[in-house]
Amino acid sequence: GNSVTQMEGPVTLSEEAFLTINCTYTATGYPSLFWYVQYPGEGLQLLLKATKADDKGSNKGFEATYRKETTSFHLEKGSVQVSDSAVYFCALSGDQAGTALIFGKGTTLSVSS
Amino acid sequence: GAVVSQHPSRVICKSGTSVKIECRSLDFQATTMFWYRQFPKQSLMLMATSNEGSKATYEQGVEKDKFLINHASLTLSTLTVTSAHPEDSSFYICSATGTVGAGGYTFGSGTRLTVV
Repeated sequence: GNSVTQMEGPVTLSEEAFLTINCTYTATGYPSLFWYVQYPGEGLQLLLKATKADDKGSNKGFEATYRKETTSFHLEKGSVQVSDSAVYFCALSGDQAGTALIFGKGTTLSVSS
Repeated sequence: GAVVSQHPSRVICKSGTSVKIECRSLDFQATTMFWYRQFPKQSLMLMATSNEGSKATYEQGVEKDKFLINHASLTLSTLTVTSAHPEDSSFYICSATGTVGAGGYTFGSGTRLTVV
C-alpha cells in the first residue's frame, strides 16, 4: 500500500540556517504530494503541494520538488526563522478522487534566535 | 479559500458520557469527509472516510459502534465518541474534499478531547 517515510526529528536550528526535511514515499499510480505544518495546539495548514513529477511546490520561502525517480519530496528553506518552529508533515494522496491523505510521522522543527 | 469549521475546539467529559464533534464546510460542498485522530507527538491516523449520504468506511481497528460518524449533508459531518473512556482522549481532526478543485483537502482546526 501507499506510505510516507519522513526523517526523524527533532530538528534544531539557529535562525537563518538552511533547512532540509527528507520525505520519501511508496505509491502506486501517480500520487499528489503535500507538506503540511502544524503549530502547537492547532490543526493542519497546507504549506505546499505538487501534483505531478518534476513539479515544484513553494510557499513562504519553503519549497519541495516532486522527484519520481527517487520517490522523494524533500522540504527545503534557505533561511529559517523562529516563527517556523512547528511540526511538519509530508503526505500523499492516491490518484483516485476521494482518497484520504496518508501522512508521515511528522518532524518537529525548533528554531532558536 | 475553502474553510472547514470544527467545534468544539476543546472538550472535557466524564468517563461513560458521549461527545459530539462537528465539522462544517462553510463555502463549499464536502462530498467526502475524513476523520483522523492524533496522539501527542504522533502522526495523524485515519479513522474513517464518509461520503455524503452513505455509511462511513472505517479503518481496521477502529470501532464503528464507538465512533459514530454521520455525514447527512454536503456541509456537515459529525463524529460522536460514545461511552468515552480516558484512552479515547486525543486530538481529533476532520478533513474535507469536494468542490474545491483538484487535490483540495481542507482541514478543520481540531478538537482536543479529554476524558476524565
